[in-house]
Amino acid sequence: DIQMTQSSSSLSASVGDRVIITCRASQSISSYLNWYQQKPGKAPNLLIYAASTLQSGVPSRFSGSGSGTDFTLTISSLQPEDFATYYCHQGYSPPWTFGQGTKVEIK
Amino acid sequence: QVQLQESGPGLVKPSQTLSLTCAVSGGSISSGGYSWSWIRQPAGKGLEWIGRIYASGGSNYNPSLKSRVAISLDTSKNQFSVKLSSVTAADTAVYYCARTPYSGPSYGAFDSWGQGTLVTVSS
Repeated sequence: DIQMTQSSSSLSASVGDRVIITCRASQSISSYLNWYQQKPGKAPNLLIYAASTLQSGVPSRFSGSGSGTDFTLTISSLQPEDFATYYCHQGYSPPWTFGQGTKVEIK
Repeated sequence: QVQLQESGPGLVKPSQTLSLTCAVSGGSISSGGYSWSWIRQPAGKGLEWIGRIYASGGSNYNPSLKSRVAISLDTSKNQFSVKLSSVTAADTAVYYCARTPYSGPSYGAFDSWGQGTLVTVSS
């Protein structure tokens, strides 16, 4: 199985901050990396697919980059509605696997 | 816009079989181009992919659950289902159904999700 590791389980930030979340795959997954946002009691919501393509309807302050094994999700200016947990996910090879999640909390 | 809705018992006894159904609306499950997955999330924990089924009926499962899980398709009702046998407390989780394109740039991304249903395994 491909292991997905997010560098931090949580981080504290303020509204307006630039936030970077990193994700590493245990082997190359090309660009088959997706990012999701999950709020309490809700299903995850696809933000970015193929490492850097913004899903329709997602604000442009979200961006993704990377290929191979190292990936980042950037929120350029954190908004109150962005406080949530973010998961990376490899869609390269089943069994599809997720990172452990990074909870973005209010500083 | 496709919508997914999970349904099934919220309480299952240990050693019994968990059965859930995902009803799909706004699109045909048999039209092709997508696979249909089950994913679960224990309280306060991360996401685990359980398995998927294609419109053709082909399927893939997570090896960690493969011996206990079966996913099936009912095209007449536009829904798909999961059965997980011999459940224990460790199977207590919110279970989600989700859709994934199996071609194109968003291949492998879960682009539509149900709202999730909590299943508790307890006697």
